[in-house]
Amino acid sequence: EDKVVQSPLSLVVHEGDTVTLNCSYEVTNFRSLLWYKQEKKAPTFLFMLTSSGIEKKSGRLSSILDKKELSSILNITATQTGDSAIYLCALPQGGSEKLVFGKGTKLTVNP
Amino acid sequence: ETGVTQTPRHLVMGMTNKKSLKCEQHLGHNAMYWYKQSAKKPLELMFVYNFKEQTENNSVPSRFSPECPNSSHLFLHLHTLQPEDSALYLCASSQETLAGVPNEQFFGPGTRLTVL
Repeated sequence: EDKVVQSPLSLVVHEGDTVTLNCSYEVTNFRSLLWYKQEKKAPTFLFMLTSSGIEKKSGRLSSILDKKELSSILNITATQTGDSAIYLCALPQGGSEKLVFGKGTKLTVNP
Repeated sequence: ETGVTQTPRHLVMGMTNKKSLKCEQHLGHNAMYWYKQSAKKPLELMFVYNFKEQTENNSVPSRFSPECPNSSHLFLHLHTLQPEDSALYLCASSQETLAGVPNEQFFGPGTRLTVL
């Protein structure tokens, strides 16, 4: 059965800190790994990592895929209170477009 | 604005009521999804429609009935729900290809459902 495990489940930091969120997975036929940010309701897409694109960066956020370790990390540098959210990792399951999500990491950035 | 809208945003219903959730996507995508998000649980996929055909039914009870009249609209009909069905229901859409690498899904704002 495909699994996605995120850690930590919650994290509280101060503005300016750097955080690293982890996602490990067990899926058959890996194709891609996606990171989402969920603030109030709907998750918004951050990155998609594939075998041909194992590192992505956007501003203070960056993500790396380690296919050998079956994991990915999401880094946020110089955190701001607006980064407070639940960060979700997801992978497509098997041969379908169905995504399997982890439970998420709840990040709280205090001023 | 993600291009995926959902109505209503909040819904309170009794266990004997019948209601429907609506989702509309303005992105020209060919796949649409219903998800359930309960407190302290991972996001759960409920249904997938690809080119208006249901391709996934993730063991969802029959009191939830999806309908996809065209590739832009998706409904979730609710009937005789239970209090444990209270959750945030999210709709998403994506543009799927035959290449085998799924594309990112764009989510709507969700409907917060409370079943009394």
